[in-house]
Amino acid sequence: IAGITQAPTSQILAAGRRMTLRCTQDMRHNAMYWYRQDLGLGLRLIHYSNTAGTTGKGEVPDGYSVSRANTDDFPLTLASAVPSQTSVYFCASSEGGTGGNEQFFGPGTRLTVL
Amino acid sequence: AQSVSQHNHHVILSEAASLELGCNYSYGGTVNLFWYVQYPGQHLQLLLKYFSGDPLVKGIKGFEAEFIKSKFSFNLRKPSVQWSDTAEYFCAVNGPYSSGSARQLTFGSGTQLTVLP
Repeated sequence: IAGITQAPTSQILAAGRRMTLRCTQDMRHNAMYWYRQDLGLGLRLIHYSNTAGTTGKGEVPDGYSVSRANTDDFPLTLASAVPSQTSVYFCASSEGGTGGNEQFFGPGTRLTVL
Repeated sequence: AQSVSQHNHHVILSEAASLELGCNYSYGGTVNLFWYVQYPGQHLQLLLKYFSGDPLVKGIKGFEAEFIKSKFSFNLRKPSVQWSDTAEYFCAVNGPYSSGSARQLTFGSGTQLTVLP
């Protein structure tokens, strides 16, 4: 079934540790996104990529980095995790282009930083 | 910067009641508008979207939304809710096209809908 997969499903992490959240899509979408979801704040964009080889900063990029080596994969890395990064992380993708394309979301990764 | 406001944080209804969730956005130019739904423990799914044309948009599961440009609003409605509609609902806006972030979505903070059986 086509869609977006994320790994891990959940993770408990000690503060200061490095962590990479994985995201893979098989829809050949050009654009991909990482959001964090926090109670009362909705979804906030962390980083995005309009096409393979390019990335950009979203609303809350500090403490996170991304790479887009190919069309399908868009990993999100926390170089040194802090408790404020405890959240649910969603990866999304869209066809791209100048139109208002629908975004498709992955199942999410629940991250707890202690 | 674009902003999206959802005025109701938590709505509690009985089955068969009518629903209207408010959504207002700040940008006055050309926008694309979306409503997403997140059922408990699941990821976001598209409920409906407006790109152009008829401002009354019909989505899945009996939901509809009306785009009123003069009011910068895109309210979600359903005539008769069911217990299975219990979920969190997010309004989102995509725009403006002139910036490098043309394809990004700005989300509202969400409205938790609880439908009592």
